[in-house]
Amino acid sequence: GIQVEQSPPDLILQEGANSTLRCNFSDSVNNLQWFHQNPWGQLINLFYIPSGTKQNGRLSATTVATERYSLLYISSSQTTDSGVYFCAPGKAAGNKLTFGGGTRVLVKP
Amino acid sequence: DAGVIQSPRHEVTEMGQEVTLRCKPISGHDYLFWYRQTMMRGLELLIYFNNNVPIDDSGMPEDRFSAKMPNASFSTLKIQPSEPRDSAVYFCASSFSSGRSLRQFFGPGTRLTVL
Repeated sequence: GIQVEQSPPDLILQEGANSTLRCNFSDSVNNLQWFHQNPWGQLINLFYIPSGTKQNGRLSATTVATERYSLLYISSSQTTDSGVYFCAPGKAAGNKLTFGGGTRVLVKP
Repeated sequence: DAGVIQSPRHEVTEMGQEVTLRCKPISGHDYLFWYRQTMMRGLELLIYFNNNVPIDDSGMPEDRFSAKMPNASFSTLKIQPSEPRDSAVYFCASSFSSGRSLRQFFGPGTRLTVL
């Protein structure tokens, strides 16, 4: 199966700071999604981004499929951005995803 | 629109008992996924369905686990008999098929504790 490596494993930010989370994967993919798991455990889909760049408010994501990595940018971080961010690529014909280990983000006020 | 609905939200049971988890996907979605999340193993895909048909159950840990999807709006994950190592949060997710956005939407999860 696909190997997924996310970095850094932990990130502490001061409110208002910017950051970049990275996801490396071991195989070509036709599907990649980013999720945020909030402190209450809810998993929220942030992006479906098999290639290219997308933006949603203060978040943006870029996937370079040919080089097997994806980046998630958080700008002007807020305390509500705290939680764990998961990258999940997929390569099968269906919508099967493999989740990385996540990056745990803590935004301090 | 209602999101993915799971029940129960919490389940505490004793070893050896049967446990049934339930999921209602988002209306119109034709993919349904069952995941398990633990501290040790992270988020693992157990099984997924397309148009109510199981496509890949390679993640189901053993024969004690079974999943069904009798119609487009309902799925169950059953553990019989349950063991303490089954304690985890079980998530259900759904999505559209290829040709449209494949974004997976997760339910709130069922926290299972097996004593």
